[in-house]
Amino acid sequence: DIQMTQSPSSLSASVGDRVTISCRASQNIDTHLHWYQQKPGKAPKLLIYGASNLQSGVPSRVSGSGSGTDFTLTISSLQPEDFATYFCQQSHSGTPTFGQGTKLEI
Amino acid sequence: QVQLVQSGAEVKKPGSSVKVSCKASGGTFSNDNMGWVRQAPGQGLEWMGKIIPILGLTNYAQKFQGRVTISADRSTSTGYMELRSLRSEDTAVYYCVSTAGTNYYYHKGMDVWGQGTAVTVSS
Repeated sequence: DIQMTQSPSSLSASVGDRVTISCRASQNIDTHLHWYQQKPGKAPKLLIYGASNLQSGVPSRVSGSGSGTDFTLTISSLQPEDFATYFCQQSHSGTPTFGQGTKLEI
Repeated sequence: QVQLVQSGAEVKKPGSSVKVSCKASGGTFSNDNMGWVRQAPGQGLEWMGKIIPILGLTNYAQKFQGRVTISADRSTSTGYMELRSLRSEDTAVYYCVSTAGTNYYYHKGMDVWGQGTAVTVSS
């Protein structure tokens, strides 16, 4: 299986900050990389698909970039509702795999 | 927009089985893909497998092969995930995920999730 490694595992930030979360794949996955937000007790929510495409309804302060093995999720100006855990996921292989998550805290 | 409603929490003994249901509404159930993802307490997400109801075609993660069965009832637009030979490590929240038929390989991500079903395995 393709291994996905996120960094950092946790991140402290403030409202208005710009934050970046990284995700690295163990092999080339082209742009078959997606990002999710999860809040406690809730299901994950798709934010970005295909490395850089914003899912409908997701605010434009969220963006994604990268291809191959290295990817980033950026939130340009943190809002209170952005404090959550973020996961990356690859769909390049027949078995989708997820990163271990990055917890974004105040 | 598809909505998914899962069955309620379960408590099971080690060695037993659990079957979780996921009822879909607002979409084209037969043509969509239904997958299952689990999350152990405080842990990450783990894909288990999926089904295309109209074809009855299933695909399972190797880790769960032989221990999980994913099925679908087109007449009620309901998907099922049965996990057998339960052990404590199977304690997790189990989510169903629906994607459009054209998104079989998840190249547009997993866009519709159920609310999750907590399964506790304890003696």
